[in-house]
Amino acid sequence: GDSVTQTEGQVTVSESKSLIINCTYSTTSIAYPNLFWYVRYPGEGLQLLLKVITAGQKGSSRGFEATYNKETTSFHLQKASVQESDSAVYYCALGDPGNTRKLIFGLGTTLQVQP
Amino acid sequence: NSKVIQTPRYLVKGQGQKAKMRCIPEKGHPVVFWYQQNKNNEFKFLINFQNQEVLQQIDMTEKRFSAECPSNSPCSLEIQSSEAGDSALYLCASSPLGGTSAETLYFGSGTRLTVL
Repeated sequence: GDSVTQTEGQVTVSESKSLIINCTYSTTSIAYPNLFWYVRYPGEGLQLLLKVITAGQKGSSRGFEATYNKETTSFHLQKASVQESDSAVYYCALGDPGNTRKLIFGLGTTLQVQP
Repeated sequence: NSKVIQTPRYLVKGQGQKAKMRCIPEKGHPVVFWYQQNKNNEFKFLINFQNQEVLQQIDMTEKRFSAECPSNSPCSLEIQSSEAGDSALYLCASSPLGGTSAETLYFGSGTRLTVL
């Protein structure tokens, strides 16, 4: 079946430094999947950070970027300069554009930004 | 911020007891999802509805789990006879269009169920 892999369970970065959170996916669908990053800030519910539904395109939001790379089946999340307020749990997710509407989530990466 | 409302925030039950949680989707969102997130952070899709009709559900939910989304009432997820393995965060999400998996899901804060 489809799956999403986030290799790091926890990442610690100093404020103003750059960040990359890795995400790779696997799908049995012949169609290219839709890809998402969701984020859970402390004390809040899960919310969409960004999404890309076309292979080769880049999505961006709140200073974060992710490029849909169908060759490497990756959708890494990057930010040039993190802030303490970015501390949260980040989830990569895949949506099958076929006949199912549910999302497949990765296990999440906890980002801790140190002041 | 999402306006999906889930109640209660915390739920504690003994094994064999019923556990019921509720969800009010965002106004105007016809599609509702229930996910289970376990202690290992794994998400498991349980069921989804469009308006009041079930679209998809996994086998597990056909036995001890039941869910409904009646018109003009909150959606609900009920576990008939709770087991320790049901301890998890139950997430409700709604979607504005319901057409494809490209749509954004709007999540509630979840109900954390603990089965003693």
